[in-house]
Amino acid sequence: GENVEQHPSTLSVQEGDSAVIKCTYSDSASNYFPWYKQELGKRPQLIIDIRSNVGEKKDQRIAVTLNKTAKHFSLHITETQPEDSAVYFCAANSGGSNYKLTFGKGTLLTVNP
Amino acid sequence: DVKVTQSSRYLVKRTGEKVFLECVQDMDHENMFWYRQDPGLGLRLIYFSYDVKMKEKGDIPEGYSVSREKKERFSLILESASTNQTSMYLCASSQTSGGPFFGPGTRLTVL
Repeated sequence: GENVEQHPSTLSVQEGDSAVIKCTYSDSASNYFPWYKQELGKRPQLIIDIRSNVGEKKDQRIAVTLNKTAKHFSLHITETQPEDSAVYFCAANSGGSNYKLTFGKGTLLTVNP
Repeated sequence: DVKVTQSSRYLVKRTGEKVFLECVQDMDHENMFWYRQDPGLGLRLIYFSYDVKMKEKGDIPEGYSVSREKKERFSLILESASTNQTSMYLCASSQTSGGPFFGPGTRLTVL
């Protein structure tokens, strides 16, 4: 089955700096890679996703890049703000399935004012 | 806005009890999921359903069963609760393709 590794497990940055979270996956058939943000005590929320037919996708201050050859994808947050502090999860679908996602273990991002 | 609701935010049960966790979505999504979330382990898929009365095992189905009699409702059943099933349970739904939308979660404690 799919295995998703996420690094780092914790990340602390100063407000205004950039943050990068990296994930690797094992299933070469994976073609869908969403990212979720979970604030303390709240549900995970989808913030951005990318499919295997593109290498990069941007939405305001967040971007995701995908390298299918190396089987890794990354989340980039620029101009970080205290409200970006949360746990971020990456995920990849298994065997090209539309249903089954395997999640990384999460990264706790802390943005210090 | 997608709305996924779960019947309880907090639940305390005793070992051996049968436990029902209910989930309802109002966006006519085909797919529904049950995950459990534990510190340091991320989100792990228990079961999912891609249609009424259809279900498939996820990564950790042991000790759980599910029921989907109506498109909008997906139930998770713990036949005989055990202490190692103490966890946060998250229901989610999605369209044919795309990431799932999560409910608020049920924190279950088994004593």
